[in-house]
Amino acid sequence: DQQVKQNSPSLSVQEGRISILNCDYTNSMFDYFLWYKKYPAEGPTFLISISSIKDKNEDGRFTVFLNKSAKHLSLHIVPSQPGDSAVYFCAASAREGGADGLTFGKGTHLIIQP
Amino acid sequence: DAGVIQSPRHEVTEMGQEVTLRCKPISGHDYLFWYRQTMMRGLELLIYFNNNVPIDDSGMPEDRFSAKMPNASFSTLKIQPSEPRDSAVYFCASSLFLFPIYGYTFGSGTRLTVV
Repeated sequence: DQQVKQNSPSLSVQEGRISILNCDYTNSMFDYFLWYKKYPAEGPTFLISISSIKDKNEDGRFTVFLNKSAKHLSLHIVPSQPGDSAVYFCAASAREGGADGLTFGKGTHLIIQP
Repeated sequence: DAGVIQSPRHEVTEMGQEVTLRCKPISGHDYLFWYRQTMMRGLELLIYFNNNVPIDDSGMPEDRFSAKMPNASFSTLKIQPSEPRDSAVYFCASSLFLFPIYGYTFGSGTRLTVV
């Protein structure tokens, strides 16, 4: 059973607009969340993270929002640029009593249209 | 540092053959992880090591899979015998800590095709 779910396999957004990628999780022990970006033929690279003590973390054009009660997080990219076209993975971890390491979703392929 | 280095980048083999994937982690990283990426299951953890010792191999799909870390700078993932359903991209990652406060650093992966 997938503990981290990304229900949209792909998303198409026009350049300059906002991209919103969503992620849901089921394990209530998860308390740290990350987004990774992956280009073809490369490994995933760390993009941004958020701790469960926060509900928002911002880094330049990227903002991650966390809704603990809904077990939901989202990644906002504003404005979207062609170089943002990639697969984005949501990942989660638990400090104690949970799964070791990182648990990933299946990924969302973001396509930025010119 | 050159990052996490994996070899080969691509491997095509026939069913029943032995396959060995290799990984060199970032120097000084105490943790090494092997992940597998498939369309059906996404990125799943197979096994991880701490200071060269296997800690959790519960993700290894079958006895056909084995992993070793003979020293701090080298790890292998072996599949013997290989089957078509093993076709996937295999990633190695390393980290200073188990808790991914800075994330894990991934290699570029090995794309395995078993025909």
